Amino acid sequence: KAGVTQTPRYLIKTRGQQVTLSCSPISGHRSVSWYQQTPGQGLQFLFEYFSETQRNKGNFPGRFSGRQFSNSRSEMNVSTLELGDSALYLCASSFTGTDMNTEAFFGQGTRLTVV
Amino acid sequence: GNSVTQMEGPVTLSEEAFLTINCTYTATGYPSLFWYVQYPGEGLQLLLKATKADDKGSNKGFEATYRKETTSFHLEKGSVQVSDSAVYFCALSDLYGGSQGNLIFGKGTKLSVKP
Repeated sequence: KAGVTQTPRYLIKTRGQQVTLSCSPISGHRSVSWYQQTPGQGLQFLFEYFSETQRNKGNFPGRFSGRQFSNSRSEMNVSTLELGDSALYLCASSFTGTDMNTEAFFGQGTRLTVV
Repeated sequence: GNSVTQMEGPVTLSEEAFLTINCTYTATGYPSLFWYVQYPGEGLQLLLKATKADDKGSNKGFEATYRKETTSFHLEKGSVQVSDSAVYFCALSDLYGGSQGNLIFGKGTKLSVKP
């Protein structure tokens, strides 16, 4: 079956702009989580969505937001981009996010560069 | 707050050498522990997990034992191969009895195996 798909794979934006990243989870998965990966801070949790509701949120400013649609696809948005937002953004999906017998599957990520 | 500390890399080994990557954690309650692997240009893959003290996770020749007394989850492999070259992440989750919807990651350890 198809894996987690993130689009686009690469993105270059200018400071002050906004950006929207997309994540299509594995069919049947209802939990989608987003992570930011940078060389300095490593992997940091942004937020998790389940059944169109944000279930958990990490420690990021309000410029970072997300949503989930009825088909479980998720988008994250970053407004007023800063140079420090340059990172690899990873999406992970799992069936429920709460069952230890199911695995979280990661996409290949979207590489965002802010110039 | 909860955190994960793993040994700094990079680690360079010859093929068939023994591998240990140290991981310690700080958490309230009883977290679940994971090792993820990231191959070049790819997303993260779950390598192994342990959900309670003294559990041993194992996969593809890798092993890690959940040691509550030392708050550790060290990754080991008896004989590494060139194909094991990747970045390894230790992670914990303490939500929903071990949810993978919100993971706290270590900084990652890059492993290079030379033929």
